[in-house]
Amino acid sequence: DVKVTQSSRYLVKRTGEKVFLECVQDMDHENMFWYRQDPGLGLRLIYFSYDVKMKEKGDIPEGYSVSREKKERFSLILESASTSQTSMYLCASSLSGNEQYFGPGTRLTVT
Amino acid sequence: QKEVEQDPGPLSVPEGAIVSLNCTYSNSAFQYFMWYRQYSRKGPELLMYTYSSGNKEDGRFTAQVDKSSKYISLFIRDSQPSDSATYLCAMSPLLFNDYKLSFGAGTTVTVRA
Repeated sequence: DVKVTQSSRYLVKRTGEKVFLECVQDMDHENMFWYRQDPGLGLRLIYFSYDVKMKEKGDIPEGYSVSREKKERFSLILESASTSQTSMYLCASSLSGNEQYFGPGTRLTVT
Repeated sequence: QKEVEQDPGPLSVPEGAIVSLNCTYSNSAFQYFMWYRQYSRKGPELLMYTYSSGNKEDGRFTAQVDKSSKYISLFIRDSQPSDSATYLCAMSPLLFNDYKLSFGAGTTVTVRA
């Protein structure tokens, strides 16, 4: 079974803090994704990566950056967290041309 | 206007009822249509996908696509409490297009025992 794990299930941070969200997949997938999920808005793509050290902006990249130094790990970084970034963050991975497998999500609250 | 519209519900039905979920969309380039199921405190998992117009059946689940009306549906027959989840529609111009999935907001369903 494909396993996508995320470093934290729940996280509470203060405004202005730097926040790191980690995602690890164990199936040698090329592609990895970060989404945020908000009530009434569904899933929105923040960034994705199709190879190590490669990244592409999704629909809402503002305020976020990513890092992919190893194939199995994809990190989402909030350089200076704001209350508008309070959300559920979902990581996913896929083999090219195949379905995306999602992690359990990290619920981030910024106060 | 959102590219994909989905009634957020919530929907509450008794066990054994038929659950009907719908999405409408505006982009005529969409060819592949997917339904994801998301249990509480879990990530979404792919339930079914269909191509172009028509029906697809998988056990108690039936997905329908009407491209002329830009309307897709998911029916759950003989619903069970284990079907209680949020259901998200997603669509793409290409099958499993790696970065062009457009999601609906999700409909939360509760099946009462």
